[in-house]
Amino acid sequence: DTAVSQTPKYLVTQMGNDKSIKCEQNLGHDTMYWYKQDSKKFLKIMFSYNNKELIINETVPNRFSPKSPDKAHLNLHINSLELGDSAVYFCASSLQGVYGYTFGSGTRLTVV
Amino acid sequence: RKEVEQDPGPFNVPEGATVAFNCTYSNSASQSFFWYRQDCRKEPKLLMSVYSSGNEDGRFTAQLNRASQYISLLIRDSKLSDSATYLCVVNRDDKIIFGKGTRLHILP
Repeated sequence: DTAVSQTPKYLVTQMGNDKSIKCEQNLGHDTMYWYKQDSKKFLKIMFSYNNKELIINETVPNRFSPKSPDKAHLNLHINSLELGDSAVYFCASSLQGVYGYTFGSGTRLTVV
Repeated sequence: RKEVEQDPGPFNVPEGATVAFNCTYSNSASQSFFWYRQDCRKEPKLLMSVYSSGNEDGRFTAQLNRASQYISLLIRDSKLSDSATYLCVVNRDDKIIFGKGTRLHILP
């Protein structure tokens, strides 16, 4: 009955590889987000989708490409992984951002 | 200047004490405000929304001052389980912006 679920929970991969992280929410929310939390614990927004439409795209390298097949799913594909991509990636969802945001449990990505 | 600023702490506070955190935001167009709590290696969880009229939830009181662009959180009768990082969050145009968080350690 997890509200926002991300997979995988842990991802260890080599530099140069391409990987995807999946996120699904069953809350009926209309907006979904990807956040990156680096080693200094700072949470920074990467992307936001509202009803499958991209509404926020922060200064993120083109190697990161979000995809939203429907409003309950927001996946993140990363090409040519670099060491600096190592972080925890959190998916979140909200209902128009008004009532707060529900986060997934995070995907800990380690690039070696 | 960061859009949402918080004192990173850590605040080391004895159990039972009252502790207050502050947060300032720079964009007056910000629309909604929240406090989140994040435990070590876990996801952030909503603690409470923050309103200009002030709101209380048990031992927690939050206050928003729009004129000064300032948000506060007060924890009364602190418990060991309150040890966590407290994140000030501001919503502007569907973009949620997090402060860096304030670390709180409650000491037995």
